[in-house]
Amino acid sequence: GDSVTQMEGPVTLSEEAFLTINCTYTATGYPSLFWYVQYPGEGLQLLLKATKADDKGSNKGFEATYRKETTSFHLEKGSVQVSDSAVYFCALTKSSNDYKLSFGAGTTVTVRA
Amino acid sequence: KAGVTQTPRYLIKTRGQQVTLSCSPISGHRSVSWYQQTPGQGLQFLFEYFSETQRNKGNFPGRFSGRQFSNSRSEMNVSTLELGDSALYLCASSLKLRVEEDTQYFGPGTRLTVL
Repeated sequence: GDSVTQMEGPVTLSEEAFLTINCTYTATGYPSLFWYVQYPGEGLQLLLKATKADDKGSNKGFEATYRKETTSFHLEKGSVQVSDSAVYFCALTKSSNDYKLSFGAGTTVTVRA
Repeated sequence: KAGVTQTPRYLIKTRGQQVTLSCSPISGHRSVSWYQQTPGQGLQFLFEYFSETQRNKGNFPGRFSGRQFSNSRSEMNVSTLELGDSALYLCASSLKLRVEEDTQYFGPGTRLTVL
């Protein structure tokens, strides 16, 4: 079945450091890929998405590129802030399964001032 | 535009009871999905409704059920609650027109605690 694998956390960084969270997927066909973020005590917020190979999603300084050849969708940010402390989830969906989201386990990121 | 709303935000129940959670999607969204989030199992898909029809169901026992109304609002029900049902229940809505527009927007969740 379809699955998403994220790098294990937690990740602790200093402000202005570079952040990378690895995400790889296993799926047949052509999934759409997403990054969601969950702040403490809240639901999930869409961070960015990409719907086909080589698409780059970007938002709030975060970027991720859909790499079909490596089945990856790694999340990056060049200079993190304390406010970026959250749990980040990589997810995929496909039309053939009626678009249900399959999530990775989540990566907890803590940014220290 | 108002986001996805879920009520109540917090619930405490005892084993054996039943519970109903409510979700109001973003205006114009016809698809509502439900997810369970627990520390051990992560985020798991429960079911999805579109135009009052359940189109997709996850691997949960029959104690978990749901429905969708003509105004796209959705409810999920859990009967005979077990301790393991304690979780954050998230609702998401989407347009479900095309893949490119199929982004699911999540509500804040309902935190259910079973004692």
